[in-house]
Amino acid sequence: TQLLEQSPQFLSIQEGENLTVYCNSSSVFSSLQWYRQEPGEGPVLLVTVVTGGEVKKLKRLTFQFGDARKDSSLHITAAQPGDTGLYLCAGLGGTSYGKLTFGQGTILTVHP
Amino acid sequence: DAGVTQSPTHLIKTRGQQVTLRCSPKSGHDTVSWYQQALGQGPQFIFQYYEEEERQRGNFPDRFSGHQFPNYSSELNVNALLLGDSALYLCASSRDRGLMGAFFGQGTRLTVV
Repeated sequence: TQLLEQSPQFLSIQEGENLTVYCNSSSVFSSLQWYRQEPGEGPVLLVTVVTGGEVKKLKRLTFQFGDARKDSSLHITAAQPGDTGLYLCAGLGGTSYGKLTFGQGTILTVHP
Repeated sequence: DAGVTQSPTHLIKTRGQQVTLRCSPKSGHDTVSWYQQALGQGPQFIFQYYEEEERQRGNFPDRFSGHQFPNYSSELNVNALLLGDSALYLCASSRDRGLMGAFFGQGTRLTVV
């Protein structure tokens, strides 16, 4: 059984602060995907990382895939209230190609 | 281009009843997956359909079944509903088995009373 441990579960910060969310597993994934979900909506894909060691930037968001393709991180620089939401990491593949294994999510609140 | 559409958006059922949820995938996508998301949790994989066949299944009982039609749309059926089946049910569509990501619908909020 593949598991993804996501931390922290909750983050409450002030506007302008930086933060990092972590996703760790003992399993190897074909890709690691990050989603953001608003209340009452489905998750929206932010980025996919495929290659070990890969780093992708999306404006103030930086995503990294571990060298062994077992872990990933999301770093947000100068957080804004509009960043508030549920952030989910999801691993694809390994022994269950096609199935996404989600972490439990990080609820981020950015106070103005 | 319409994204993934699910219907209905909300549903209230009584324990023991049966329910059918529907999903139309994003144009050009041939793979449909269903997830169950309890409040405050990440989505849990139920099963995936490709070429009208169930390719993979998560740890869900046989009360959960599905179907994919030739136009790639899909249904999720749940029989003998339990209170614990109350959740947000998400449909995700993808191509190439989702290596580069999946597109999710807005979900169906199922409440079992």
